[in-house]
Amino acid sequence: QKEVEQNSGPLSVPEGAIASLNCTYSDRGSQSFFWYRQYSGKSPELIMFIYSNGDKEDGRFTAQLNKASQYVSLLIRDSQPSDSATYLCAPSGSARQLTFGSGTQLTVLP
Amino acid sequence: DVKVTQSSRYLVKRTGEKVFLECVQDMDHENMFWYRQDPGLGLRLIYFSYDVKMKEKGDIPEGYSVSREKKERFSLILESASTNQTSMYLCASSPTHNQPQHFGDGTRLSIL
Repeated sequence: QKEVEQNSGPLSVPEGAIASLNCTYSDRGSQSFFWYRQYSGKSPELIMFIYSNGDKEDGRFTAQLNKASQYVSLLIRDSQPSDSATYLCAPSGSARQLTFGSGTQLTVLP
Repeated sequence: DVKVTQSSRYLVKRTGEKVFLECVQDMDHENMFWYRQDPGLGLRLIYFSYDVKMKEKGDIPEGYSVSREKKERFSLILESASTNQTSMYLCASSPTHNQPQHFGDGTRLSIL
């Protein structure tokens, strides 16, 4: 079993729709959860983080965490073409490093 | 804002050369990381360091070494470059392991 699994994608949504990105992780010691966005040819940039069970909202982005189910998700409301990118899930684990998922490629169609 | 600076955006080297990739961060972060990223393989951790002169192997350390003589600088060394080391190399830093990593712009390395 992979340590971090993300919905494989690619995922396409129409402009204005909600994009839902999912991530499951295996390390129950994970305390912090990060979502990164990576545009083609660019480096990853942090867009959301969540530490506690429940929802965290920041503008059009909502992160959801369920530690009992070892599941974290990212919702993007009112998706825009500029949201088209690869989204990486990264839980912190018991080791001194983050573990990155392989990413979900999102395309928002105008 | 955190600034992580990688010495080169693009680099072309020849097989067998010793290659140095440099990374500097300006936020006094404890942890620094080197990754490579290849299409379809995601981010793979090569080495990381949680203190000066300390280093730990990541998932794919073979063919690489690192050096951290000062807190702000973390160098990746390809001892004898090979064509299968052609890749995008990303450096990152973080205050602690439970806090987010901040990435440099990356170095696209081609080994001919």
